[in-house]
Amino acid sequence: QQQVKQSPQSLIVQKGGISIINCAYENTAFDYFPWYQQFPGKGPALLIAIRPDVSEKKEGRFTISFNKSAKQFSLHIMDSQPGDSATYFCAASMGTGFQKLVFGTGTRLLVSP
Amino acid sequence: GAVVSQHPSWVICKSGTSVKIECRSLDFQATTMFWYRQFPKQSLMLMATSNEGSKATYEQGVEKDKFLINHASLTLSTLTVTSAHPEDSSFYICSARELAGVYNEQFFGPGTRLTVL
Repeated sequence: QQQVKQSPQSLIVQKGGISIINCAYENTAFDYFPWYQQFPGKGPALLIAIRPDVSEKKEGRFTISFNKSAKQFSLHIMDSQPGDSATYFCAASMGTGFQKLVFGTGTRLLVSP
Repeated sequence: GAVVSQHPSWVICKSGTSVKIECRSLDFQATTMFWYRQFPKQSLMLMATSNEGSKATYEQGVEKDKFLINHASLTLSTLTVTSAHPEDSSFYICSARELAGVYNEQFFGPGTRLTVL
């Protein structure tokens, strides 16, 4: 029940295309859903995050879509660029206790020139 | 944005020795710091959660006597890998949650690559 399932495991997108990564969760107590970008040998960096009171959040080329009833959320990267090539992790946490993050398994994105 | 640093960025040690990794919040006070471990091409695995001035809470399966965590101040947490062995070789990453920050938000350090020979 604490898992966050992420797909696909890897993704190849042409420059200028849209990258879409999906995540699903079971625990309805989760109330914070961030996406992180990680480059090789570096720590994760927060890209964008959403709370369940909204269905969509957009920041620049990055959009989170959130479907509370389906317990799913996704990251859309518009106009994907080679510099977006990285590993992306979704995560979820609850507002109680230590507010630990539960991470998805990651998606390796390659944007071809 | 809030900045978290780690030191060292990489370390190589001999089997049986102990290694200390520091995690600092540079421009904010952190109520809670988290330590993660990441193997190649895998996700982050939470090892423990530490709050300033109290004992760390370890995740199931993580040996607290092997991975010593100290959170002595609101800006510094340390992870000591005691009697390190080759299987402890991994990428260790810390994160910190700001005292007065956005609820749930964690800021991650750049990671420390540990290689045990």
